[in-house]
Amino acid sequence: LAKTTQPISMDSYEGQEVNITCSHNNIATNDYITWYQQFPSQGPRFIIQGYKTKVTNEVASLFIPADRKSSTLSLPRVSLSDTAVYYCLVGDMDSNYQLIWGAGTKLIIKP
Amino acid sequence: EAGVVQSPRYKIIEKKQPVAFWCNPISGHNTLYWYRQNLGQGPELLIRYENEEAVDDSQLPKDRFSAERLKGVDSTLKIQPAELGDSAVYLCASSLGGVPFTEQYFGPGTRLTVT
Repeated sequence: LAKTTQPISMDSYEGQEVNITCSHNNIATNDYITWYQQFPSQGPRFIIQGYKTKVTNEVASLFIPADRKSSTLSLPRVSLSDTAVYYCLVGDMDSNYQLIWGAGTKLIIKP
Repeated sequence: EAGVVQSPRYKIIEKKQPVAFWCNPISGHNTLYWYRQNLGQGPELLIRYENEEAVDDSQLPKDRFSAERLKGVDSTLKIQPAELGDSAVYLCASSLGGVPFTEQYFGPGTRLTVT
């Protein structure tokens, strides 16, 4: 099964750019990389998804190097409301498309 | 557009009692997921439906858990009998496509406490 590794927690300050890196050494050829955000007492919310190089949307960017063994979620100019848990997922086609959720990265933004 | 609806939001029961959770997915979403999330951990997939068919229930503890999705819309997850270790948040999610790489929309979850 594909497995991801993320830092358990990170701190930053308002207005800063935050980069969260995820390691997925066993990513398969057809796997996509997806990031979700979760606030307390809420279900996760989709942030961004990519396969290779760079993907950008209105809230984040996702950088994927050529070997795809890692990916970096970039949040520009964070605010206090970005305090949440961020999950990196890799779609595992070898396991009946089962998505494996790790423990995520708890991001704390300070004023 | 209404999101994924779950009920109840909270449930407290004694061990050995039965409990059921209900989920109404986003209209038009064929894929429905039930997850269990323990404190400080990521969601764990229990079962995934494509329309009425359970296509992945490998992680569902079938001795006490059951699920159904009648008419390919609403779904119910049941635990009977509940154990102390079942205390967790039960999340329902839905998505458009048959491939789970597509964006999943989550409900607020049901927080179950078994005493």
